[in-house]
Amino acid sequence: AQTVTQSQPEMSVQEAETVTLSCTYDTSESNYYLFWYKQPPSRQMILVIRQEAYKQQNATENRFSVNFQKAAKSFSLKISDSQLGDTAMYFCAFSFQGGSEKLVFGKGTKLTVNP
Amino acid sequence: EAEVAQSPRYKITEKSQAVAFWCDPISGHATLYWYRQILGQGPELLVQFQDESVVDDSQLPKDRFSAERLKGVDSTLKIQPAELGDSAMYLCASSLADRGLETQYFGPGTRLLVL
Repeated sequence: AQTVTQSQPEMSVQEAETVTLSCTYDTSESNYYLFWYKQPPSRQMILVIRQEAYKQQNATENRFSVNFQKAAKSFSLKISDSQLGDTAMYFCAFSFQGGSEKLVFGKGTKLTVNP
Repeated sequence: EAEVAQSPRYKITEKSQAVAFWCDPISGHATLYWYRQILGQGPELLVQFQDESVVDDSQLPKDRFSAERLKGVDSTLKIQPAELGDSAMYLCASSLADRGLETQYFGPGTRLLVL
């Protein structure tokens, strides 16, 4: 079974600074996808960024980028120039190609951006 | 922008009562997911539909939970009888297809409290 571990229950960062959220996962599959989802307070979960395991190049989306280390089974999220609107729960998630494509989530990291 | 709709947003019930949640996915999305999110944890898949067919219900407690998507559009999740441990957020998500890289779009959720 696939598992996703987020070791940082809570983090805080000052506005305009950079923060990195950690995620490790465990799978015996070779083809899979990794995601970071954001869940703002009282709002729906939205996709932040995704990575295909067969791609060595790290994904980037504006201020968000990932450090994907396949051998180490690590998938960290870096947020640059943090903004107050980045305050949210962040979930790392996994799905594997060829299965039911369900997302397997970690327990989440609560990020607070301070002014 | 199209969104996944869920109702009700909040539900308080007593144990042993029946409850039902409704989800209307984004138009044209063939795949629909129901996740349960217990406080402090990441969402876990309960059931996945492809059109009107169940693709994965391995984690659905079938003695008390049922789900249907009769016309392949909107869906209902029912719990009967509700137990104290069912208190959680119930999230509905939809995607265009059941390929792993497809973005899952989440609704606002139904927060259930069982007394």
